[in-house]
Amino acid sequence: TAGITQAPTSQILAAGRSMTLRCTQDMRHNAMYWYRQDLGLGLRLIHYSNTAGTTGKGEVPDGYSVSRANTDDFPLTLASAVPSQTSVYFCASSDLGQNTGELFFGEGSRLTVL
Amino acid sequence: EDKVVQSPLSLVVHEGDTVTLNCSYEVTNFRSLLWYKQEKKAPTFLFMLTSSGIEKKSGRLSSILDKKELFSILNITATQTGDSAVYLCAVEKGAGGGNKLTFGTGTQLKVEL
Repeated sequence: TAGITQAPTSQILAAGRSMTLRCTQDMRHNAMYWYRQDLGLGLRLIHYSNTAGTTGKGEVPDGYSVSRANTDDFPLTLASAVPSQTSVYFCASSDLGQNTGELFFGEGSRLTVL
Repeated sequence: EDKVVQSPLSLVVHEGDTVTLNCSYEVTNFRSLLWYKQEKKAPTFLFMLTSSGIEKKSGRLSSILDKKELFSILNITATQTGDSAVYLCAVEKGAGGGNKLTFGTGTQLKVEL
């Protein structure tokens, strides 16, 4: 079972360029999330989606956008990357109907903005 | 502002030792507290706690929640080198739907031979 698949695994990007991190899940979970993980700051929620067609802002949404056209895909776009967006990005999903709070995480995408 | 604080930030123990990891929180509308283990990449789920005083146990790992004092502990007995990881505590808020979690910064555990 693949679970959550993220791409690319790592990327170096010039400041000012745009970038889309891809996330696909095969568990038919209704909710999906994007977190960034930085040393000393832990995991912080960027954007989330409780169901296809809806999205919401998390703790650190500025500079990022998401879309949820269908259940399986939840891409994260950086329109004009800045060095402070250098981070490891984790996509996650959950089944809100299970009422367990458990998130399933992808393997992460390491992004370096120079 | 919601806050989740973990301690210690890091610790090194020897195989066979018992460790206790701490997590305190301040959040409005608390729903549950979760523990995750992060080895190299993706965090993996360990426990979810919603009620005070009820211990959750899985093998050598156990966890308990105190909703009055707003903290949780994660115990690992007879530690093994495979327990080396970052342990993350997260709190879920109720109402409004979704499993949006606020994470602590983690405790890095290293178990040496």
